Amino acid sequence: GIQVEQSPPDLILQEGANSTLRCNFSDSVNNLQWFHQNPWGQLINLFYIPSGTKQNGRLSATTVATERYSLLYISSSQTTDSGVYFCAALNTGTASKLTFGTGTRLQVTL
Amino acid sequence: ETGVTQTPRHLVMGMTNKKSLKCEQHLGHNAMYWYKQSAKKPLELMFVYNFKEQTENNSVPSRFSPECPNSSHLFLHLHTLQPEDSALYLCASSQDGALNEQFFGPGTRLTVL
Repeated sequence: GIQVEQSPPDLILQEGANSTLRCNFSDSVNNLQWFHQNPWGQLINLFYIPSGTKQNGRLSATTVATERYSLLYISSSQTTDSGVYFCAALNTGTASKLTFGTGTRLQVTL
Repeated sequence: ETGVTQTPRHLVMGMTNKKSLKCEQHLGHNAMYWYKQSAKKPLELMFVYNFKEQTENNSVPSRFSPECPNSSHLFLHLHTLQPEDSALYLCASSQDGALNEQFFGPGTRLTVL
């Protein structure tokens, strides 16, 4: 099945800083999602983005399917952005389930 | 609120107990999923139901038994669990299959003593 790798594994930012999280995947994708898991365990949908670029407020994401990576940009970070960010991908030719990466743990400090 | 609810939010059980986790989605979706999230591991898919039919069992031990009485409800029945089964159990739903965007519930944090 598809392999999903995320980097960096851990990231500490000061409030107001910008950051880029990366997700590499080993095969073409039919589904790619970014999630934010808050400290209580809730997975919050950020983007459904198998290709192209999307923006939602301070967050944006770009998936370059031909080069097998996706990027999540966080601008002007806030302490509420802290948590774990997961990328999940699916290739329907090889599997019928989303495969999750191991996540990037983000801590935003004052 | 994602439109997917789970109860209970926390559960502590002994190895000989029988308990059930409940998931309900209010999104009109046809596919529902159980995932397990253990410490230091990626989310693992356990079961998939599509239009109430089980379409995937990801080699889950038989002490976990899913039930999907209709497209809006999903249960996970637990019996004779082991301490290593302690984890966060997440339910998700999507419009149809895995091609569609999945939405997650808040999870049940399970501790097996």
